Amino acid sequence: QQQVKQSPQSLIVQKGGISIINCAYENTAFDYFPWYQQFPGKGPALLIAIRPDVSEKKEGRFTISFNKSAKQFSLHIMDSQPGDSATYFCAASISGSARQLTFGSGTQLTVLP
Amino acid sequence: GAGVSQSPSNKVTEKGKDVELRCDPISGHTALYWYRQSLGQGLEFLIYFQGNSAPDKSGLPSDRFSAERTGGSVSTLTIQRTQQEDSAVYLCASSWGAGQNTGELFFGEGSRLTVL
Repeated sequence: QQQVKQSPQSLIVQKGGISIINCAYENTAFDYFPWYQQFPGKGPALLIAIRPDVSEKKEGRFTISFNKSAKQFSLHIMDSQPGDSATYFCAASISGSARQLTFGSGTQLTVLP
Repeated sequence: GAGVSQSPSNKVTEKGKDVELRCDPISGHTALYWYRQSLGQGLEFLIYFQGNSAPDKSGLPSDRFSAERTGGSVSTLTIQRTQQEDSAVYLCASSWGAGQNTGELFFGEGSRLTVL
């Protein structure tokens, strides 16, 4: 019930391409869905987040798409750049509580120049 | 600085030794978390402190692991009789406490532990 399943485990994209990372959850009580970005040697940092009252949220080249009925959400990185190469974690929580955050297993993204 | 500070950044120890890892959270954050990240793996929750409440220790993998938070601020994670499988990056994070939830965790850069 608390799991968040993330795929793919690793992703290689050419510069300028679209990177897509998918996550699925079971617990319908989840109501806050953030994505964290982690560069090598650094801690994860919040990238973008969505609540289930909207189906899409866009910030620059990063977009979260949310499908409540399918219990799935995804991160799209448009015009991917080598600087986007990092590990991305999806997460979900109840009532927006950081304490209740459940993380996916992570996706290592490599954007080739 | 204004971020979460962790020390040491790297620690190499021999099997069987005890280690202490320190975390200094963002000023004003009442919630503090420890996570473990093994090579190429996800984030494993270890322990959570919120204000003066009893900590949630449900993620600690064994009784060799313990943590304290003094004065509601600095926290120390202690691993006794270290084993090779304890080798990982230990991440500390802090957040605003209950009633001010933004759902955002602020992570430090981690302490990389290597047990030989």
